[in-house]
Amino acid sequence: DIQMTQSPSSLSASVGDRVTITCRASQSINSYLNWYQHKPGKAPKLLIYVASSMQGGVPARFSGSGSGTDFTLTISSLQPEDFATYYCQQSYTTPPTFGPGTTVDIK
Amino acid sequence: EVQLVESGGGLVQPGRSLRLSCAASGFTFDDYAMHWVRQAPGKGLEWVSGISWNSGSIAYADSVKGRFTISRDNAKNSLYLQMNSLRAEDMALYYCVKGFSGAITTYYFDYWGQGTLVTVSS
Repeated sequence: DIQMTQSPSSLSASVGDRVTITCRASQSINSYLNWYQHKPGKAPKLLIYVASSMQGGVPARFSGSGSGTDFTLTISSLQPEDFATYYCQQSYTTPPTFGPGTTVDIK
Repeated sequence: EVQLVESGGGLVQPGRSLRLSCAASGFTFDDYAMHWVRQAPGKGLEWVSGISWNSGSIAYADSVKGRFTISRDNAKNSLYLQMNSLRAEDMALYYCVKGFSGAITTYYFDYWGQGTLVTVSS
């Protein structure tokens, strides 16, 4: 199975901050990398698919980049509703696997 | 509006069985692959199983292969997960998840239900 890692595991930030989360795959996955936002008690939400394509309705402050093994999710200006856990997930091969998550909380 | 509503979770003893259901609405169910993804307490997300639009292609995580069976009834807009020989490590919140296309290998998940909790304990 392809192993996914994320860094940092958690971070504290303030409203308005630029936040960057990194995801790494144990082998090349081309651009088959997706990002989800998960808030406690809520359903996870797809933000970005195939590394940089934004899901409909997702605010433009979210962006994704990368290919091969290294990927990045950037929130350009953190908003109060963005405090959540973010997961990367590879969709290159079966089984699809998720990173361990990055929790973004209020500084 | 897409809605995925899971049911069937509960407390079950190790070794016993449970059947989860997911009622889908707001989209053409038989056009899309469907999946189950779980989250154990305090843990991350784990894909469990997926089924293509016509049930022609099915896949399982190694951790559940041989014990769980995924199925769907397109006439009823419903997805199921039959879970046998349950173990403590199967305890989790189970999400019903819509795939991005009819093929299970398009592994991006654009809509998720709220989840149903499975507790495995004696």
